[in-house]
Amino acid sequence: QQPVQSPQAVILREGEDAVINCSSSKALYSVHWYRQKHGEAPVFLMILLKGGEQKGHEKISASFNEKKQQSSLYLTASQLSYSGTYFCGTEWTGGGADGLTFGKGTHLIIQP
Amino acid sequence: DTGVSQDPRHKITKRGQNVTFRCDPISEHNRLYWYRQTLGQGPEFLTYFQNEAQLEKSRLLSDRFSAERPKGSFSTLEIQRTEQGDSAMYLCASSLEYRTVGGELFFGEGSRLTVL
Repeated sequence: QQPVQSPQAVILREGEDAVINCSSSKALYSVHWYRQKHGEAPVFLMILLKGGEQKGHEKISASFNEKKQQSSLYLTASQLSYSGTYFCGTEWTGGGADGLTFGKGTHLIIQP
Repeated sequence: DTGVSQDPRHKITKRGQNVTFRCDPISEHNRLYWYRQTLGQGPEFLTYFQNEAQLEKSRLLSDRFSAERPKGSFSTLEIQRTEQGDSAMYLCASSLEYRTVGGELFFGEGSRLTVL
């Protein structure tokens, strides 16, 4: 079952912060975050395994609340290069399909 | 460059024709995935291989679709008797590990299929 991402789109000015959420109705084993720019392949940002870890990648960090089956991606002091579509991909605790199931994406537009 | 490469990048075909896409994964990666992405959607899982074994196929994958990974190296995805609904970007990805750090997917640039 596809994870649900919110919001669908965000428009920010450079330097502002954003939060993108990803939630699942199934018990999650891991959450992956990817960014895709128009016409390009998705690029891996980070992976969070169950255990409630918070990971960081420059000014982009993420948390994973396994009790709520939710993950959030935090972008602080956004830069123009952060523009793109952000996808979360989930793996379920019970297994099943061994590919990641991706959400529909969150479009992030950073304006100067 | 040792990233994931896909060929061809673009394919335009007429309905009913067969098409084949090739993916060369990162050499040390033993897991290879095929995804399909349509405009405004996230990638949809189609199938994956661990070495040469095809371990999972999505229900989305009709009998017209077949994938192979001979010798656990490159992979091909063939679509027979193409339909207009097959028009999409076909993404290949590879990974080294499973369900752990290192299990991230490295995507290729994709093969865009247009069925007229």
